[in-house]
Amino acid sequence: RKEVEQDPGPFNVPEGATVAFNCTYSNSASQSFFWYRQDCRKEPKLLMSVYSSGNEDGRFTAQLNRASQYISLLIRDSKLSDSATYLCVSMDSNYQLIWGAGTKLIIKP
Amino acid sequence: GAGVSQSPSNKVTEKGKDVELRCDPISGHTALYWYRQRLGQGLEFLIYFQGNSAPDKSGLPSDRFSAERTGESVSTLTIQRTQQEDSAVYLCASSLGRASGRAGSYNEQFFGPGTRLTVL
Repeated sequence: RKEVEQDPGPFNVPEGATVAFNCTYSNSASQSFFWYRQDCRKEPKLLMSVYSSGNEDGRFTAQLNRASQYISLLIRDSKLSDSATYLCVSMDSNYQLIWGAGTKLIIKP
Repeated sequence: GAGVSQSPSNKVTEKGKDVELRCDPISGHTALYWYRQRLGQGLEFLIYFQGNSAPDKSGLPSDRFSAERTGESVSTLTIQRTQQEDSAVYLCASSLGRASGRAGSYNEQFFGPGTRLTVL
């Protein structure tokens, strides 16, 4: 079993809609989590960090559910520019970073 | 301030040749990571440097791969006797560090633009 799992998608979503996708992790000792976005043929860019129960930044909300060992990313009022691959990362108690393979999101006009 | 830079941005080489990739981390970042990303796939961890500690080489796929870092500055990733399967984007990232008791932000990684390696 992969340590960090993500639905590869693609999620096809109309512009303006709300979309959410989850990331599950297997190590219950994971301390912190990060969401990165990666545009096609570009490097990953940090979108959001989650150190406690969640985080919110504008249209983006991350929620951590430690009991069920998943972290979600919610995007409200989606824009065409939100089209990207979203990478989930967990950090365990040894400060090892474990990367998910990413979820592809396509926002359609 | 300046971000992570990598050079070259693209490298085309013939099978069997050696290549050297360079990464300049963000100034003040003690941790440096190398990753490989094949087309359409996720990030594959290669090696991690933290200050003057022994590097974590657990992700290097074979002994053809090696990396060096001088102090807390530039790092080079060397691939000897390249194979076609080595074709990928090689990404470098840096963070403030990785240490017990530090806030999670200490571990936020910032990536360079990558080097796209094509082995013919």
